[in-house]
Amino acid sequence: KNEVEQSPQNLTAQEGEFITINCSYSVGISALHWLQQHPGGGIVSLFMLSSGKKKHGRLIATINIQEKHSSLHITASHPRDSAVYICAVPGGSQGNLIFGKGTKLSVKP
Amino acid sequence: DAGVIQSPRHEVTEMGQEVTLRCKPISGHNSLFWYRQTMMRGLELLIYFNNNVPIDDSGMPEDRFSAKMPNASFSTLKIQPSEPRDSAVYFCASSLLATYEQYFGPGTRLTVT
Repeated sequence: KNEVEQSPQNLTAQEGEFITINCSYSVGISALHWLQQHPGGGIVSLFMLSSGKKKHGRLIATINIQEKHSSLHITASHPRDSAVYICAVPGGSQGNLIFGKGTKLSVKP
Repeated sequence: DAGVIQSPRHEVTEMGQEVTLRCKPISGHNSLFWYRQTMMRGLELLIYFNNNVPIDDSGMPEDRFSAKMPNASFSTLKIQPSEPRDSAVYFCASSLLATYEQYFGPGTRLTVT
């Protein structure tokens, strides 16, 4: 069974700072998901990636398949980026996702 | 599209009562997932369906939990009888295919007293 570790667990930043959230997993995968959970509870899928890098606005996700590691970067962070960021990888069967515990990000103005 | 729709948004019930949570996936999506989120365990997959057929229900805690998908546009998650430890937020998500990006509903916050 795949194990997913995220770090840091909590992160406080000042507006404008560059943010990095890390995710490591134990078993090789086909794709990795990054999700964002807003303070109100809603969950949004940010990225699904299987290699290299993806960019969407100020968000960048990278993955190193050999090292079983992915990072989520936020450039020029803003208070509206405050949320919990969750990494997820496939589990035993197709479609089964195993989630990390999440990283709670707070961006101060 | 309205996105994934879940009802009710909040449910408070007494221990021993039956609870039914409902989900309408995005039209055209072939896979539907039920998740549970608690402070202690985070997000966990309970069960998922492909083309209305349950594929993996290994996450369903016990026989008190059951899920159905009678057609492509509707699914239910039932807990009978409910217990206080079932208190959690239950999310439904859908995707075009099981391995594709998933779209989450707003969740149902269940409190069992």
